[in-house]
Amino acid sequence: DAKTTQPPSMDCAEGRAANLPCNHSTISGNEYVYWYRQIHSQGPQYIIHGLKNNETNEMASLIITEDRKSSTLILPHATLRDTAVYYCAPRNSGNTPLVFGKGTRLSVIA
Amino acid sequence: SQTIHQWPATLVQPVGSPLSLECTVEGTSNPNLYWYRQAAGRGLQLLFYSVGIGQISSEVPQNLSASRPQDRQFILSSKKLLLSDSGFYLCAWSVRRQGYGYTFGSGTRLTVV
Repeated sequence: DAKTTQPPSMDCAEGRAANLPCNHSTISGNEYVYWYRQIHSQGPQYIIHGLKNNETNEMASLIITEDRKSSTLILPHATLRDTAVYYCAPRNSGNTPLVFGKGTRLSVIA
Repeated sequence: SQTIHQWPATLVQPVGSPLSLECTVEGTSNPNLYWYRQAAGRGLQLLFYSVGIGQISSEVPQNLSASRPQDRQFILSSKKLLLSDSGFYLCAWSVRRQGYGYTFGSGTRLTVV
């Protein structure tokens, strides 16, 4: 019973913006959306999270639709080091574990 | 600062042998702790999580078990490994508040032969 839907793979040219979509149409009102990425053979790395407002940090921007049924992670200037699997995951409380879907494999191409 | 330690980094075990993977967190108290597994080419599967000493929630029925003997220690065990237990095992911790991310360990790559 998947809670999120992401495209299995995407390509992006180096230096261009990478826009990674996530569908979470069953998200409830108190669930945050978290984004992580996993570089090959490493543990996942936290990127950003949001509830309903758009968010930005030093790594990325997160755009959440007004109905909160989908979100987009934006890497403004992708580099080769951004090649990884990107996961989005909703979470409704501090004690609820994150359940990851299959993620999107982003390949940044020189 | 908080750190998470997970060992060993790699492990090769024969079918039917026992398993014990340890994870410890430093620099925080009362963390939530998690065990995930990633089979080759697959996504992250939540195995167990714990919100306190002795409190373990299991997400997937299998021949693995978890224990939390101390506040910042989380152990993954098996009495008899199966070939299907091969994978990349990751421990993670988080604070007990919404709005904070997880910190993952560096993982243990287990190969059952």
